[in-house]
Amino acid sequence: EVQLVESGGGSVQPGGSLRLSCAASGFTFNSHWIHWVRQVPGKGLVWVSGINTDGSHTLYADSVKGRFTISRDNAKNMIYLQMNSLRAEDTAVYYCARGRFYFDYWGQGTLVTVSS
Amino acid sequence: QPVLTQPPSASGTPGQRVTVSCSGAGSNIGRNAVNWYQQLPGTAPKLLISGSHQRPSGVPDRFSGSKSGTSASLAISGLQSEDEADYYCSAWDDGLNGWVFGGGTRLTVL
Repeated sequence: EVQLVESGGGSVQPGGSLRLSCAASGFTFNSHWIHWVRQVPGKGLVWVSGINTDGSHTLYADSVKGRFTISRDNAKNMIYLQMNSLRAEDTAVYYCARGRFYFDYWGQGTLVTVSS
Repeated sequence: QPVLTQPPSASGTPGQRVTVSCSGAGSNIGRNAVNWYQQLPGTAPKLLISGSHQRPSGVPDRFSGSKSGTSASLAISGLQSEDEADYYCSAWDDGLNGWVFGGGTRLTVL
C-alpha cells in the first residue's frame, strides 16, 4: 500500500524556520517525482515545490523561491521541505504528493502556523 | 488569485448530472493535460481524472473529464450524496514552470 506521511509541522514566529518531512512507503520511491502542495484551511490548493527522482531537478512556486528548499534522501525514502524566512501567509496545511504528470497519492498533511 | 478559474459552487439533486468548468490559458490548459481532484470534507485530495479524461482505477465511470482549447470540464452523472465535496482542476503551466490549480468548486447534493 502506497503511503505518504508528513511530519514536522507546528507553530513558528514570522522570520523563523521549519523543516517538514514526508516519509514514503509501499512503492519504488526513487522512481517518482514528489511535490509539496499547501492549503490554507478553508481555501484552495496551491502547489509549492517539486523534486525529480534523483534530486537533481527542483521546482518552486514564485511565492517560496529563495526561501524554501526541497530535497530527498532516496536511501531513507524521505522528502524534506526546509522553510526559512517564514511569513504569516505561509500558514497552511502542507501535503506531500506523488507524481510527475498528475498527483496520484497524497499524504494526510501537516499544519504549519506562522504567527507572533 | 488562482491561475485556473472555476465556479465557487455547484449543486444538483441525486441522480442528476452536473458539470464543473475550469478555464485557463494557452500556457496551461491550452498546451497540457488537465487533472481533477476530489477533496471530501476533512480529508486529503484524491486524484479523480488524469490526462484530461482518464479515470484512475477505482474511480466510478459516473465521473468523466473533457478538454477543449483553454477550458476543461468535469461531469458527474447519477449524482450521489457521497459526491458532496470540493473539486479542483490542475494543469502544468509552461510559463510559470509549475503546477497551477483552480480555486475549487464546492459541490452540494441537495
